[in-house]
Amino acid sequence: QSVLTQPPSVSAAPGQKVTISCSGSSSNIGNHYVSWYQQVPGTAPKLLIYDDNERPSGIPDRFSGSKSGTSATLDISGLQTGDEADYYCGTWDRSLSDGYVFGTGTTVTVL
Amino acid sequence: EVQLVQSGAEVKKPGESLKISCTTSGYRFTSYWIAWVRQMPGKGLEWMGMIAPFDSDTRYSPSFQGQVTISADKSINTAYLQWSGLKASDTAIYSCARSPRIGATTNFDFWGQGTMVTVSS
Repeated sequence: QSVLTQPPSVSAAPGQKVTISCSGSSSNIGNHYVSWYQQVPGTAPKLLIYDDNERPSGIPDRFSGSKSGTSATLDISGLQTGDEADYYCGTWDRSLSDGYVFGTGTTVTVL
Repeated sequence: EVQLVQSGAEVKKPGESLKISCTTSGYRFTSYWIAWVRQMPGKGLEWMGMIAPFDSDTRYSPSFQGQVTISADKSINTAYLQWSGLKASDTAIYSCARSPRIGATTNFDFWGQGTMVTVSS
């Protein structure tokens, strides 16, 4: 069971906005940068956001990340059918594991 | 162009050994960490561990410590994941991923295509 909790699923109509939360603790999100990954079924994950709110080259600004305390959030605005995918948060964790941890994952459905 | 190309799908029997590879190109291999990530059927991503090819410094998740071995050959820009005695529960897709750093700022900016490993008698 992951130490980072995400809602199992979120959905919205095309053009709308969805928000995905990632809840952790002081041993992970509270003291380390958060990344977000998109995984379209059957394909490799893709980095969407790093260092809490930075976008790699080529990622549209419809994707934005933020963090407050021990929780992080990924916002997807102007939702498109191509955004249907699983989304995972990730960060370093310095509890017993002292390693990288991924969130439980959230499936985004475009209605 | 940065590329991480993994070896092909494997079908093995319980107890057999296996070594899968991740061959990189398009960047300086020794300047980045390589991680391995497991995804069991229908499940989420699990970080297994990562290696710094420069000096072979390797970190493992406690869940995978002693169960797998991560290695790298910097002469051919390739990282490996190996098992000495596979179990049915090792059936999963295994992906390699590149990270510019380890620790507080770890992130995986390029990924391999994944290797499906099926363990069945």
